[in-house]
Amino acid sequence: GAGVSQTPSNKVTEKGKYVELRCDPISGHTALYWYRQSLGQGPEFLIYFQGTGAADDSGLPNDRFFAVRPEGSVSTLKIQRTERGDSAVYLCATSPGTGGGEQFFGPGTRLTVL
Amino acid sequence: QQPVQSPQAVILREGEDAVINCSSSKALYSVHWYRQKHGEAPVFLMILLKGGEQKGHEKISASFNEKKQQSSLYLTASQLSYSGTYFCGTGILPLADDKIIFGKGTRLHILP
Repeated sequence: GAGVSQTPSNKVTEKGKYVELRCDPISGHTALYWYRQSLGQGPEFLIYFQGTGAADDSGLPNDRFFAVRPEGSVSTLKIQRTERGDSAVYLCATSPGTGGGEQFFGPGTRLTVL
Repeated sequence: QQPVQSPQAVILREGEDAVINCSSSKALYSVHWYRQKHGEAPVFLMILLKGGEQKGHEKISASFNEKKQQSSLYLTASQLSYSGTYFCGTGILPLADDKIIFGKGTRLHILP
């Protein structure tokens, strides 16, 4: 079956602009996670959804970052007033939410802020 | 707190064994292991949920010492396909489906 998909695969923007990154989960997966990964680092947790609600948003670095999952499926990560330090690969992962623990990662969106 | 992985990098010849260690300063409920190849997404290897648990996955296995807050990943008779960066991740709640705090990774390169 289809895996996790993320769009766009690459996004180049200018400092101060607004961006939206989209994640389409595996069908039926109730848990959805956003991470970001800088070069040479491990994925850094941002936010976790269980269904429509954010179960844990403790990883969002500041109030410029916001994520939604209005119908419990597709999620959008929104970044306002982008800064050069926001440049990274943004990874989405999903899991069935049944306690197995495995997270299925999408290919990521590479965000570059000029 | 981010778990600490060691070594940072390993170079092996095909057929050799490797051990990657992961330790945390906080109490752990779960340890997750992932492998990421260059330019690709991380791929799940295994999760350990209980102290003393050991798991195997072909020639890749792992152990979890809950008291020492440590886990080790064992790769035996390494194959070229094992090359990549290995991440351990830790969970601090008694839930398998929870956020993962990942370490910085261990880069493994297998030579033919």
